[in-house]
Amino acid sequence: DGGITQSPKYLFRKEGQNVTLSCEQNLNHDAMYWYRQDPGQGLRLIYYSQIVNDFQKGDIAEGYSVSREKKESFPLTVTSAQKNPTAFYLCASRDSPLATNEKLFFGSGTQLSVL
Amino acid sequence: DQQVKQNSPSLSVQEGRISILNCDYTNSMFDYFLWYKKYPAEGPTFLISISSIKDKNEDGRFTVFLNKSAKHLSLHIVPSQPGDSAVYFCAASSHGSSNTGKLIFGQGTTLQVKP
Repeated sequence: DGGITQSPKYLFRKEGQNVTLSCEQNLNHDAMYWYRQDPGQGLRLIYYSQIVNDFQKGDIAEGYSVSREKKESFPLTVTSAQKNPTAFYLCASRDSPLATNEKLFFGSGTQLSVL
Repeated sequence: DQQVKQNSPSLSVQEGRISILNCDYTNSMFDYFLWYKKYPAEGPTFLISISSIKDKNEDGRFTVFLNKSAKHLSLHIVPSQPGDSAVYFCAASSHGSSNTGKLIFGQGTTLQVKP
C-alpha cells in the first residue's frame, strides 16, 4: 500500500525540549510539505521541500526545522523556540513540483501537546 | 491576511437534502482550487478540484462551481449522507515560475448531516 506515514500519532513536549515528528512516504513523490492545523485557522504551511537536500520556509517556519536527506523522508523538529507548539501537524506530498495537477496527499497527522 | 475564506464555521443539513459549502478568495492569481474532506484526528483527503478555465466540475454526488468574477467557489453535495459529516477545507494555488505546490487553505466548515 502506497501512502504517507506519520509517527507518532500523539506526542507530548516538555518545556524547553525539542521533539521530532516523523514523515515517511513510499509514493516516490518529489515534493513534501509540513502543515499545522489549529482550531478555526485551517492549515498553515510550515516548511516544504521540492527535492532531496533542499527545502524552503513556509508561512510560519519560526521555531521549526526540517531536513530532507532522503526522498522518502521529511522529518520536522519542533524546537524550544516555538512558544505555542500545541497543534495537529500534517505531512503531505505530491508527484512533482512541476505537475499541473497540484493535489496533495496527506498523512494521518500527529497531535503535539505541551506538558 | 486570509487569502482563502470560509465564512461559515458550520452547516447542518438533513440527510437526502443538498449541502452547499462556500469559499471566497482574494488573490486573482489563484487558478486552481480544491476541496478536501477531513475527519477528526485524520489527514485531509482530496475530494474534487477545478481549474480556473472551467466554471463547473462534477464527480458523482459532488459538484464544484467557480465564479471568477466574484472570486467565489462552492461545493454542492447531493444527496447528503450521514457519512459526509466532516470538516471541509477549500484550498487554492497559482501556477507561477516557482510552482511549489503551495496550497492556501481556508479555515474549514464543519458539515453535519442528520439522519
